[in-house]
Amino acid sequence: DAGVIQSPRHEVTEMGQEVTLRCKPISGHDYLFWYRQTMMRGLELLIYFNNNVPIDDSGMPEDRFSAKMPNASFSTLKIQPSEPRDSAVYFCASNLLAGATDTQYFGPGTRLTVL
Amino acid sequence: GENVEQHPSTLSVQEGDSAVIKCTYSDSASNYFPWYKQELGKGPQLIIDIRSNVGEKKDQRIAVTLNKTAKHFSLHITETQPEDSAVYFCAASLNDKVIFGPGTSLSVIP
Repeated sequence: DAGVIQSPRHEVTEMGQEVTLRCKPISGHDYLFWYRQTMMRGLELLIYFNNNVPIDDSGMPEDRFSAKMPNASFSTLKIQPSEPRDSAVYFCASNLLAGATDTQYFGPGTRLTVL
Repeated sequence: GENVEQHPSTLSVQEGDSAVIKCTYSDSASNYFPWYKQELGKGPQLIIDIRSNVGEKKDQRIAVTLNKTAKHFSLHITETQPEDSAVYFCAASLNDKVIFGPGTSLSVIP
């Protein structure tokens, strides 16, 4: 398996624009997680899915952020409108078993810069 | 909710020496404690984990210890090598979520 795939790897956009980050989890994994990493706040869980259903989105910072998982092999994280403070590295991770007690496999991340 | 603290934030050691990173967690219900290594430009990767029914686990040069009573757990790396240089994250698991510590930047000086 190619591992967790994320696209794009880098995204530069202007404030107010819509940004869509994409993730393909490892085939067969039931759980998918979206994280945000910044120097100030570290690695934060934004939302996670089990079998394509959002389970906990309490980490989503505000209504500008939304995430979907239309099928088992694809998820998106959308920011609309984007703001400079959204600049961060966004990671997608997946795992096979109970999400919290099993290895999480992280993708390479998307580095987002909002000007 | 769970809160994980980690110390030190940066650590420099000479090649061949040992490195120790310590973490504490707040919720006694947490039962799974993974450690992740993140190299520059990459996503975190699991290096070792320990469950609440175990006090110690070792894998070659890496070992983890867990003190449930004190809610402390530690990572020990022996005979450090330059390729061990990275950011290390401890984490605690509760209710299907993993809460990460702030990370320790380890530098191994050749």
